[in-house]
Amino acid sequence: AQSVTQLGSHVSVSEGALVLLRCNYSSSVPPYLFWYVQYPNQGLQLLLKYTTGATLVKGINGFEAEFKKSETSFHLTKPSAHMSDAAEYFCAVSSWGDKVIFGPGTSLSVIP
Amino acid sequence: SQTIHQWPATLVQPVGSPLSLECTVEGTSNPNLYWYRQAAGRGLQLLFYSVGIGQISSEVPQNLSASRPQDRQFILSSKKLLLSDSGFYLCAWNSEQGTLAASPLHFGNGTRLTVT
Repeated sequence: AQSVTQLGSHVSVSEGALVLLRCNYSSSVPPYLFWYVQYPNQGLQLLLKYTTGATLVKGINGFEAEFKKSETSFHLTKPSAHMSDAAEYFCAVSSWGDKVIFGPGTSLSVIP
Repeated sequence: SQTIHQWPATLVQPVGSPLSLECTVEGTSNPNLYWYRQAAGRGLQLLFYSVGIGQISSEVPQNLSASRPQDRQFILSSKKLLLSDSGFYLCAWNSEQGTLAASPLHFGNGTRLTVT
């Protein structure tokens, strides 16, 4: 069975600082990995996804994530946080024959 | 381009009243459709999904039901709401282009339901 953990239900960073949101997954078959962002009272929006190929994936709004199979991780980073990055972030995993599983989410606050 | 619409955006209903939430998708055909619930401070719980008209799979036994009367229409219903049905309900779709599991979900803006 697949599972996703996100270390830290709440992360605070200063504006301009590095953003690092952690995601670890469990899957018995090659996974497909996703990061979604949710702004208040809105649905989720895809930030980026990893399917196959290059392990460093670039997404929208300056975010990127690296798939590390040996660490079963897919951490999300952004070099410099903006106030507009304050939102809830969800990591998700799926694989062939299985439905997508979402992590519990990490709430990101950006301090001016 | 594809769009997804959900309504209403907010809803306050008394315990024991019926519920009907509607979701429609435009710009694609034969999408897979999903209903998720997001309780306050918690992650997403898959409630129902549908791969075609009239085909509904339930993930969690509960007070809710879903129907898909048309290809791009997905309805979430209840005959009698419970307090525990309060939450943020999200409709989503994806389509099988290559591998379904690799196809990202596209979400509506959600309905915030408060049962009083």
